[in-house]
Amino acid sequence: GAVVSQHPSRVICKSGTSVKIECRSLDFQATTMFWYRQFPKQSLMLMATSNEGSKATYEQGVEKDKFLINHASLTLSTLTVTSAHPEDSSFYICSALDSYQETQYFGPGTRLLVL
Amino acid sequence: EDKVVQSPLSLVVHEGDTVTLNCSYEVTNFRSLLWYKQEKKAPTFLFMLTSSGIEKKSGRLSSILDKKELSSILNITATQTGDSAIYLCAVERNTGNQFYFGTGTSLTVIP
Repeated sequence: GAVVSQHPSRVICKSGTSVKIECRSLDFQATTMFWYRQFPKQSLMLMATSNEGSKATYEQGVEKDKFLINHASLTLSTLTVTSAHPEDSSFYICSALDSYQETQYFGPGTRLLVL
Repeated sequence: EDKVVQSPLSLVVHEGDTVTLNCSYEVTNFRSLLWYKQEKKAPTFLFMLTSSGIEKKSGRLSSILDKKELSSILNITATQTGDSAIYLCAVERNTGNQFYFGTGTSLTVIP
């Protein structure tokens, strides 16, 4: 079964509001989680690496004040899209690293639509 | 329960060898199957397959989907060290646009 879940699976919000997306590892503890954004033609862009108990590492070009990441526990990382705009509409996917198995498990994704 | 399984988990070959990577799925409301190559950071898109039996080709890489067998293969011919990566398979559902990723096949090509 799925070992990484995301919630919500789909969200529609108004421009200017904030949206929180959760990523949970269900069967293992993940000190490291990754957040991706899917662009047209199916390519994935790494936005940030989330580390439990410390600040996330953002990729170049990703605004950390706009995409807030909190990795407060070993099984949960959250991505908050602050003051969302229509151009933030996308598909956001997280993955969690099971360091014991050295395997990365992907979540099912969250579809965000900003009106 | 929806799931995607890839095999083998890892593979070590010599340059010039041909490899076949497998992806099988049990996903309701199938929409498409995608292959990605992950080297460092984000997975790079390779192929999207929606129709059974139609081979997609890009250079030395090719892939085909078998909807009857609920599976897909990714072939790499004349492998090079630059092909070393984790190859991920993902299945997209029609409903909710959700993706189910496999855990990947780790390919190592040695000179």
